[in-house]
Amino acid sequence: EPEVTQTPSHQVTQMGQEVILRCVPISNHLYFYWYRQILGQKVEFLVSFYNNEISEKSEIFDDQFSVERPDGSNFTLKIRSTKLEDSAMYFCASSGSGVEAFFGQGTRLTVV
Amino acid sequence: AQKVTQAQTEISVVEKEDVTLDCVYETRDTTYYLFWYKQPPSGELVFLIRRNSFDEQNEISGRYSWNFQKSTSSFNFTITASQVVDSAVYFCALSLNQAGTALIFGKGTTLSVSS
Repeated sequence: EPEVTQTPSHQVTQMGQEVILRCVPISNHLYFYWYRQILGQKVEFLVSFYNNEISEKSEIFDDQFSVERPDGSNFTLKIRSTKLEDSAMYFCASSGSGVEAFFGQGTRLTVV
Repeated sequence: AQKVTQAQTEISVVEKEDVTLDCVYETRDTTYYLFWYKQPPSGELVFLIRRNSFDEQNEISGRYSWNFQKSTSSFNFTITASQVVDSAVYFCALSLNQAGTALIFGKGTTLSVSS
């Protein structure tokens, strides 16, 4: 069964460093998303991406964040200068219809 | 604005008990979608069901059933004869009828099933 895959599963980074979280969406899906979940809290929307551009973003998705689809298979989330409060589980998701979202297993980001 | 409320923070049951997880949503839109996701201890988010606002038929899938009532803005989830493997955090979510739009999640209900 097709699935969304995310790498790495866990990343530890120093405050102020740049990180890139990687995702391979389900092939032939057209809509891509990033969500985050701070430990023990609810899942929060960051950004959606369609047709090579951002279609919607939340207040969390400020200038420190960017997304890119560098080739036909990968979808990345970059955090330019990480802060302690960026520590969270980051989920990538993709959708064929733009309605339901299928999530990857997540990348746990720890900023120290 | 849209909102999803899962008032039950934690529920503990013994195996074989039935359990219902509540979800209440708010939206002014007439067309929307409702979802349930399961987050087991391993952390991934597993899609369980999608329901659109025009389809109020209840759905049953094995031990799982969902009760959608627009009159009370609720989309409740029942697990029949619960098992230890059902232990997880369950999230209810809402999205509007717009492709690519965000999912708005509730805070989740932690279900613990003991043997």
